[in-house]
Amino acid sequence: DTAVSQTPKYLVTQMGNDKSIKCEQNLGHDTMYWYKQDSKKFLKIMFSYNNKELIINETVPNRFSPKSPDKAHLNLHINSLELGDSAVYFCASSRLGTGLINEQFFGPGTRLTVL
Amino acid sequence: GENVEQHPSTLSVQEGDSAVIKCTYSDSASNYFPWYKQELGKGPQLIIDIRSNVGEKKDQRIAVTLNKTAKHFSLHITETQPEDSAVYFCAARTSQGGKLIFGQGTELSVKP
Repeated sequence: DTAVSQTPKYLVTQMGNDKSIKCEQNLGHDTMYWYKQDSKKFLKIMFSYNNKELIINETVPNRFSPKSPDKAHLNLHINSLELGDSAVYFCASSRLGTGLINEQFFGPGTRLTVL
Repeated sequence: GENVEQHPSTLSVQEGDSAVIKCTYSDSASNYFPWYKQELGKGPQLIIDIRSNVGEKKDQRIAVTLNKTAKHFSLHITETQPEDSAVYFCAARTSQGGKLIFGQGTELSVKP
């Protein structure tokens, strides 16, 4: 009964390749996020979707493209991978209601290594 | 832009001692301050949070205090145990779309 799941857990690939990371939540939440955690453990938000609509888009290269086919899924596609993309990527979800503040639940992470 | 500073970056205590981690934030409109614990190889997990209309909140051995005037908040863990060893992150929710800005993390080590 995993709340937020990500696949794959580990991803090793060559520079220049295109890869995708998938995320699914079964909490009935309407908002999903992608975070990047670098080698120094710093967590930074990349994107946020609410009801399949993009609401947060930080300064992320165009090579990163999130896709939300439905409220329960938010996938991250990365084109032309670079060495600097190596990091752990976390998906998270929450319920975002007007005037409400709700906990963000994180997935287990995907460790991406670009060689 | 919005910023959250967290100190210390590493903290080592003896089992049974208390641990305190401090954070400051820049966006005065921030209204929600969660604390996350991240164990090795896992995703961050919420351990306690506080909203801007409250000055202090306690849950068993952990407590959080908030000083909105000074724009800082702190995590207090009492009677630490080895299983408390992890990386702890503070965060502040900004006025922009519910975005959380995280601190740099504190690696807590509790020695038996």
